[in-house]
Amino acid sequence: NAGVMQNPRHLVRRRGQEARLRCSPMKGHSHVYWYRQLPEEGLKFMVYLQKENIIDESGMPKERFSAEFPKEGPSILRIQQVVRGDSAAYFCASSPAMGAIPNNEQFFGPGTRLTVL
Amino acid sequence: RKEVEQDPGPFNVPEGATVAFNCTYSNSASQSFFWYRQDCRKEPKLLMSVYSSGNEDGRFTAQLNRASQYISLLIRDSKLSDSATYLCAVNWRGAQKLVFGQGTRLTINP
Repeated sequence: NAGVMQNPRHLVRRRGQEARLRCSPMKGHSHVYWYRQLPEEGLKFMVYLQKENIIDESGMPKERFSAEFPKEGPSILRIQQVVRGDSAAYFCASSPAMGAIPNNEQFFGPGTRLTVL
Repeated sequence: RKEVEQDPGPFNVPEGATVAFNCTYSNSASQSFFWYRQDCRKEPKLLMSVYSSGNEDGRFTAQLNRASQYISLLIRDSKLSDSATYLCAVNWRGAQKLVFGQGTRLTINP
């Protein structure tokens, strides 16, 4: 009964490189969410996806960031040309289909800590 | 005004004490409410959902006051292991995303 899985757990990139973060939702969950937590700050929503669809990307920066959740395989959060300000913990959460549980709780993975040098 | 606000603390209380946190939200269309616990450098873990009638889980009691737009968390007989940051989260009707408060840091002292 594996929970939400994320990899890598730690990622170091130099400015200008690309970062790819992966998330596999809990078994039976079809909704994936990405959140970012900057040092000493709260969690901020980035994007909500279902299989092959981006449902809400209102929290995504307009440039350099993209997300996908293909039919097969994990969800990917991709950051192009990383800058120092991208250094943060990136958490993925998943939930089952709407109505499957009363309050539609979201369960979080262990996160990927991105450090940009 | 922030959408979800919490007193960041820190709260330092002795073991065995009762401690309570409030969390206010600004969007009256908020629909679902949650308390998460986050340990240092770990992911948030769902502590409990908050229902309109209030709910209890062991030493933890959560309440919702829609009229005043706040939720509360009460921890009775606090343990050293309760030391963590407590995050409240809200989602709005028609949206799936969670909006988090900045968290309240709690330290239980022996």
